[in-house]
Amino acid sequence: AQSVSQHNHHVILSEAASLELGCNYSYGGTVNLFWYVQYPGQHLQLLLKYFSGDPLVKGIKGFEAEFIKSKFSFNLRKPSVQWSDTAEYFCAVTPWYSSASKIIFGSGTRLSIRP
Amino acid sequence: DADVTQTPRNRITKTGKRIMLECSQTKGHDRMYWYRQDPGLGLRLIYYSFDVKDINKGEISDGYSVSRQAQAKFSLSLESAIPNQTALYFCATSDSRRAGHGYTFGSGTRLTVV
Repeated sequence: AQSVSQHNHHVILSEAASLELGCNYSYGGTVNLFWYVQYPGQHLQLLLKYFSGDPLVKGIKGFEAEFIKSKFSFNLRKPSVQWSDTAEYFCAVTPWYSSASKIIFGSGTRLSIRP
Repeated sequence: DADVTQTPRNRITKTGKRIMLECSQTKGHDRMYWYRQDPGLGLRLIYYSFDVKDINKGEISDGYSVSRQAQAKFSLSLESAIPNQTALYFCATSDSRRAGHGYTFGSGTRLTVV
């Protein structure tokens, strides 16, 4: 069965620090990968996604993620975080084929930024 | 107007009561989903529907039922609410023609069972 692991449950950083959130998935075939963000009190919003091609994907608000197929990883990065990045971040995976049934989410990483 | 609308936004109900959470969408998507979110557990799938005549159980369907009244509407019912169903519930939609493009989420319903 497919699964997604996010090893960091809560990350605390100071403003301007660099960020890397880990995500590993288990699935033997070709996948589509996503990072969603949930700001306090809000619903999930798509941050970025990977389908194919360049394994380095750039998303909104200066975030990027790198797909490393050999490591089954899709880590999220940002060079310099801001207080407004305080949120919960979810990694997610789905098989690439169009009949894929559903997206599997990781358990989430809560990011707290100290002003 | 929001693309995916959930009602109510917040609800407090008593143990044993029946409650329905509603979701409607204007995206024209054929697929709809119900998830619950609990701290430290992420999002867990309750039910999903690929079209009006197709309903599928997710990983935690016990104690829940759903109804796909139309392509745009997908309701979740708790037949007899219990306290461990206290959670944040999200409806989501997707387009089977663009399956890799992810979901569109509603704003959520915060349900408290006392």
